Amino acid sequence: AQSVTQLDSQVPVFEEAPVELRCNYSSSVSVYLFWYVQYPNQGLQLLLKYLSGSTLVKGINGFEAEFNKSQTSFHLRKPSVHISDTAEYFCAVSSETSGSRLTFGEGTQLTVNP
Amino acid sequence: DGGITQSPKYLFRKEGQNVTLSCEQNLNHDAMYWYRQDPGQGLRLIYYSQIVNDFQKGDIAEGYSVSREKKESFPLTVTSAQKNPTAFYLCASSIRLRQETQYFGPGTRLLVL
Repeated sequence: AQSVTQLDSQVPVFEEAPVELRCNYSSSVSVYLFWYVQYPNQGLQLLLKYLSGSTLVKGINGFEAEFNKSQTSFHLRKPSVHISDTAEYFCAVSSETSGSRLTFGEGTQLTVNP
Repeated sequence: DGGITQSPKYLFRKEGQNVTLSCEQNLNHDAMYWYRQDPGQGLRLIYYSQIVNDFQKGDIAEGYSVSREKKESFPLTVTSAQKNPTAFYLCASSIRLRQETQYFGPGTRLLVL
């Protein structure tokens, strides 16, 4: 079985500050990792994904994430946030044994204040 | 424009009533999914379908039913057996199973009268 833990339910930051949203996973097999963003009352949009290869993954809107196998983590970072980054962020995992079934974390609400 | 549409945006259910949520995609994707979202609980998988006329239960299928008669359509019925149906329901699709990105619709919010 696989699982995802997002370590912070809420992250408040000031505009132009850096941010890190933390995600840890557990799985007994190789994993594929995703970060999605959800704006209020909307569906989810893919930010970035790690399937294989380079452990540093760059996504849309200036976000990036680093896959760390030894620490079973996939933290999301942005060096300078904007008000428009205010949203809920979800980490998700799938694996060879789960097919394309995604297991989602509980979400992190990022609030960017002026 | 290609994408996933869900309707209605808001849906009200009375006690003992079955309601059906629509999900249509024109992305030519084989796989489709239904998720339920509750505050603070992330997304939980209700049902998914790999191909037409085939579907599997997810983690919380009780009180729900689906059909997949056409590739582009995957309607979800919330039956009267679902005692706590108030939630945000999201439909998604992907090219095929295995590591493919899932694309999400805008969601339907179901409320109980």
